[in-house]
Amino acid sequence: GESVGLHLPTLSVQEGDNSIINCAYSNSASDYFIWYKQESGKGPQFIIDIRSNMDKRQGQRVTVLLNKTVKHLSLQIAATQPGDSAVYFCAGLRGGYQKVTFGTGTKLQVIP
Amino acid sequence: GAVVSQHPSRVICKSGTSVKIECRSLDFQATTMFWYRQFPKKSLMLMATSNEGSKATYEQGVEKDKFLINHASLTLSTLTVTSAHPEDSSFYICSASTGDYGYTFGSGTRLTVV
Repeated sequence: GESVGLHLPTLSVQEGDNSIINCAYSNSASDYFIWYKQESGKGPQFIIDIRSNMDKRQGQRVTVLLNKTVKHLSLQIAATQPGDSAVYFCAGLRGGYQKVTFGTGTKLQVIP
Repeated sequence: GAVVSQHPSRVICKSGTSVKIECRSLDFQATTMFWYRQFPKKSLMLMATSNEGSKATYEQGVEKDKFLINHASLTLSTLTVTSAHPEDSSFYICSASTGDYGYTFGSGTRLTVV
């Protein structure tokens, strides 16, 4: 199966600063990656995704970077806000195989 | 956008009883739904993949007789925790595939067995 893991369990960031959350994956066959945000007591919410034929994708205040050479992806959040406080998961899938494997998760704490 | 409704959001039951959790896709048809379990401060663990009209596929180590999954229609999958015990207390989350790698998650069900 797929193995997707995160480097840091907790990240504390000052409000207004940029946040970078990292994720490593082991299966080079993974061709699609998703970042999810999970607030306490709620289900995961989709943030942004990226296909393996891209190395960067931008959304509103978020950017995902994919480095296939080292099997690493990151989520960058610009101007971090208190509402960004949550646990962030990366997930990987490979073509046609629908099972989503989640990483351990990184808890983002925004300091006001 | 695609919406998945999960019900109930919280349930407390007595040990030995059964609890049913529903997962509905409100504005799309989901041929495949997934059930996850999440322990405090842990990641989501996939329990089973539910396909409409066929038997669910369970992950290794998940007791199929304990966690009964039914996917009778394209918009509804249910998870029944049978003869629940305190160790079954957890946060259960469903998700539905919208096709083309799209996935939408329910809001989760907090099960407490006393």
